[in-house]
Amino acid sequence: DAGVTQSPTHLIKTRGQQVTLRCSPKSGHDTVSWYQQALGQGPQFIFQYYEEEERQRGNFPDRFSGHQFPNYSSELNVNALWLGDSALYLCASSTAGGTYEQYFGPGTRLTVT
Amino acid sequence: KNEVEQSPQNLTAQEGEFITINCSYSVGISALHWLQQHPGGGIVSLFMLSSGKKKHGRLIATINIQEKHSSLHITASHPRDSAVYICAVTPYMDSNYQLIWGAGTKLIIKP
Repeated sequence: DAGVTQSPTHLIKTRGQQVTLRCSPKSGHDTVSWYQQALGQGPQFIFQYYEEEERQRGNFPDRFSGHQFPNYSSELNVNALWLGDSALYLCASSTAGGTYEQYFGPGTRLTVT
Repeated sequence: KNEVEQSPQNLTAQEGEFITINCSYSVGISALHWLQQHPGGGIVSLFMLSSGKKKHGRLIATINIQEKHSSLHITASHPRDSAVYICAVTPYMDSNYQLIWGAGTKLIIKP
């Protein structure tokens, strides 16, 4: 049983560019949450997707957007990249009506130069 | 004051020692999570607790709901246990929406 997978593992982009990160949830999970973790900081909640809709959003600008597909996988899009967007982006999956346990993926390391 | 407090912030111990990391929280919760993160790495879920005690290998997690306190114990610690250990809670009535995170405890086990 594959756990949560994320792609790519590492990514280097230039300021102003756009990036798309991908996440496949653990089998049986239908909810995907995205977190940003800057170096030396704790994870910050970006948003959560359930039933292909954004269910809750953290304190992130509209440059951060997402999508969930019918197979429950999800994408995180960031437009007009800033240097400050450099971070580890973590995806976590869970079940909406389940035991609240979140399984994390290995993360995507984004570097903006 | 943070809603989730961990102690200590940093812990260095010798291989073989018994390790305890503490977590206190001030909100009502549906669940408490213990997670592990190695340097530069992703996050691994160790435990999710809503009551009592769980054990997995050399790791033990306990929670006291009345006291709003949880502990993570590592028996017979090993250098590969060196990592940041994070306590996070799922607030009550907030379902899965987001976790409230502690600041983490950086653990170093010396051989």
